[in-house]
Amino acid sequence: AQTVTQSQPEMSVQEAETVTLSCTYDTSENNYYLFWYKQPPSRQMILVIRQEAYKQQNATENRFSVNFQKAAKSFSLKISDSQLGDTAMYFCAFMSVQTGANNLFFGTGTRLTVIP
Amino acid sequence: DTAVSQTPKYLVTQMGNDKSIKCEQNLGHDTMYWYKQDSKKFLKIMFSYNNKELIINETVPNRFSPKSPDKAHLNLHINSLELGDSAVYFCASSQIWSRGTDTQYFGPGTRLTVL
Repeated sequence: AQTVTQSQPEMSVQEAETVTLSCTYDTSENNYYLFWYKQPPSRQMILVIRQEAYKQQNATENRFSVNFQKAAKSFSLKISDSQLGDTAMYFCAFMSVQTGANNLFFGTGTRLTVIP
Repeated sequence: DTAVSQTPKYLVTQMGNDKSIKCEQNLGHDTMYWYKQDSKKFLKIMFSYNNKELIINETVPNRFSPKSPDKAHLNLHINSLELGDSAVYFCASSQIWSRGTDTQYFGPGTRLTVL
């Protein structure tokens, strides 16, 4: 079974600064997808960014970017120019392609607080 | 327009009761899911449904049963509710059931409290 590990239960960052959230995963598969989801206090699960394992180029979405290290099975999220609205739980997730079941396996989350 | 909606958003009930949570998506997706988020915020897959066919049941008790009247709806029925069922339940949907998988979009969640 796939496992996803987020080793930072809580983090904080000053507004306008940069923060990196770490994620590692364990799989024997070669093709898969990785995601970062954000869950603000409203409870809504919001997709932040996704990465296909077969792509070497790191995904970016505005202020959000990832550092995907396939050999190390690492998938960290970098948030630049942090804003107060970035305060939320952040979940790293893995999706297998080969098993044929498109289930997401989540990490335990990192609670990020942006300090004014 | 809400892409994935769930009703109710909050549900408080007594042990032993039977309840349902409804989910609807207007994205034209053909696969829907139910996830459970426990008190420690851990999210775990419960069911996947594609074209009215149950694909995966991740060792969920048979008191939980997904029902899909059509491709746009996947309801979750829970019988004989227990205290441990208290959690937030999320519905999600995705575009295609294939190896070229697509992103899952989540509903707002339903917080179930069993007293």
